Amino acid sequence: EDKVVQSPLSLVVHEGDTVTLNCSYEVTNFRSLLWYKQEKKAPTFLFMLTSSGIEKKSGRLSSILDKKELFSILNITATQTGDSAIYLCAARGFQGAQKLVFGQGTRLTINP
Amino acid sequence: EAQVTQNPRYLITVTGKKLTVTCSQNMNHEYMSWYRQDPGLGLRQIYYSMNVEVTDKGDVPEGYKVSRKEKRNFPLILESPSPNQTSLYFCASSSTTRPEAFFGQGTRLTVV
Repeated sequence: EDKVVQSPLSLVVHEGDTVTLNCSYEVTNFRSLLWYKQEKKAPTFLFMLTSSGIEKKSGRLSSILDKKELFSILNITATQTGDSAIYLCAARGFQGAQKLVFGQGTRLTINP
Repeated sequence: EAQVTQNPRYLITVTGKKLTVTCSQNMNHEYMSWYRQDPGLGLRQIYYSMNVEVTDKGDVPEGYKVSRKEKRNFPLILESPSPNQTSLYFCASSSTTRPEAFFGQGTRLTVV
């Protein structure tokens, strides 16, 4: 059964801290790993990773994939209150069609 | 503006009263999916469609129906809603060239 597990499920830190969110996956015919940020309603796309060891970076956010160990991490440096959100990890497989399997999400709270 | 539009955004209904949640995308994407999001469970796929007239069950299809008569539209039908279908629903679309899913704003459904 395809599965994506995120940890921690909840994290509370102070503004300025650095956080690392984890995502492990087991997906048939794995194609890529995606990260989303969900604030109020709709998840918004952050990164898509397809190759091991290549870091994707956008401002204070970065992510990397390890296809051998089947996990990915999302790092956020110098956190701000606007980073408070649920962060979703999804593994894209292929079983006759594209299929995204989501983890439970990590609820990140940044306190001023 | 590229977008996925869901309607309604909020809906309260009674057990057994048929309802339809509409979803429309303007990006000419071939793939469309419906997800439900429940606390602690993340996003779970209900149904997906690879193209017009091609649909298939996701992980939690019981109690739902879909159709894909036009490429842009992918309505979700609850023939006889029950309280366990109270949830936040998302429609998403993607393509082979843009595999990251674009999400609608969500529909908060309450079945009493």
